[in-house]
Amino acid sequence: DGGITQSPKYLFRKEGQNVTLSCEQNLNHDAMYWYRQDPGQGLRLIYYSQIVNDFQKGDIAEGYSVSREKKESFPLTVTSAQKNPTAFYLCASSIGGRLAQHFGDGTRLSIL
Amino acid sequence: QQQVKQSPQSLIVQKGGISIINCAYENTAFDYFPWYQQFPGKGPALLIAIRPDVSEKKEGRFTISFNKSAKQFSLHIMDSQPGDSATYFCAASSEYNFNKFYFGSGTKLNVKP
Repeated sequence: DGGITQSPKYLFRKEGQNVTLSCEQNLNHDAMYWYRQDPGQGLRLIYYSQIVNDFQKGDIAEGYSVSREKKESFPLTVTSAQKNPTAFYLCASSIGGRLAQHFGDGTRLSIL
Repeated sequence: QQQVKQSPQSLIVQKGGISIINCAYENTAFDYFPWYQQFPGKGPALLIAIRPDVSEKKEGRFTISFNKSAKQFSLHIMDSQPGDSATYFCAASSEYNFNKFYFGSGTKLNVKP
């Protein structure tokens, strides 16, 4: 079954620690995205990648980093520079062009 | 500044009723408008989408109405069911940066039996 897998489902971060959220897709989609979801604020774009080895900052990239070494994978690192990391993180992919995105089931990150 | 404004924030509808969620935008370059449905603990799923060359699109009980001159679009859920209880997001993207979607703040719908 094709889809997007995000792991882990829940993640806890200690102060000053970097954590990495995994996103894997087997849809053969070129474009991948990371969003942050906070209550009452909808989805805000962190980073997106249109092709392997290329990615662009979204609206709230500060304190985050990504890599796109393989078409299937787009991991997000939440660095210690992100002062308010508690949120629900969603990964998405699309075939590209003007088609809508498919989302994973998210990772909920909390601070210990 | 939020590019897409969505209302209401929450909505309670009786079973069998019509649920209406509205979105408005300012950027006239937006030309693709999807709606997403999200259940708790899950990612959003595409529900229905419209382009501005049509004023209405219907898929089953879900209809998007689009008013280009007013820069508004809305989702109508006919014969609402308790299983429709979820959060709904509108979104928009531009032909100039079609990989970037702007989302509304979401509407939490509760359909009472």
